[in-house]
Amino acid sequence: GDSVTQMEGPVTLSEEAFLTINCTYTATGYPSLFWYVQYPGEGLQLLLKATKADDKGSNKGFEATYRKETTSFHLEKGSVQVSDSAVYFCASSSGGSQGNLIFGKGTKLSVKP
Amino acid sequence: KAGVTQTPRYLIKTRGQQVTLSCSPISGHRSVSWYQQTPGQGLQFLFEYFSETQRNKGNFPGRFSGRQFSNSRSEMNVSTLELGDSALYLCASSLQGLANSPLHFGNGTRLTVT
Repeated sequence: GDSVTQMEGPVTLSEEAFLTINCTYTATGYPSLFWYVQYPGEGLQLLLKATKADDKGSNKGFEATYRKETTSFHLEKGSVQVSDSAVYFCASSSGGSQGNLIFGKGTKLSVKP
Repeated sequence: KAGVTQTPRYLIKTRGQQVTLSCSPISGHRSVSWYQQTPGQGLQFLFEYFSETQRNKGNFPGRFSGRQFSNSRSEMNVSTLELGDSALYLCASSLQGLANSPLHFGNGTRLTVT
């Protein structure tokens, strides 16, 4: 079945460091891909998305590119801030009548000043 | 716009009981989906309702059921509760469905089964 695998956390970085959180997916078709973020004490919210190959989603300085050839959707940010500390979830959706939304296990990011 | 509202925020139930959770979506959103979040299994999709019809279903036993009303509000029911059902239950609403438009999540209902 479809699945999403993302790097295990926790990840601890210093402010202004470069961030990469790896995410790979398996799917029978061409799913839409998402990154959701859960800040401390808040609900999950959409960070960015991409709906087809080579699309790049971006928001708040974060970027992720839909790579069909490597079935990946890695999240990157050039310079993290303390306020980026949160749990990040990669997700895949195949849609349709048999659709499903599959989440990765989540990666906790802590950014130290 | 008001966000997604889930009630109650916390519930404590005993094994064998049943429970009903409620979710009010953002106004105008026709899709409501439900998720179970646990430390061990992470976030798992339960089902999605769109315009009062169940459109998608995850891999959960029949003890987990739901419905959606004409005003798009949704309820989830779990019967014959087991200890393993203890989790944070999240609902999310979207305009066109979980594959086609962003999900807006509620803060969840934390269910504890003793």
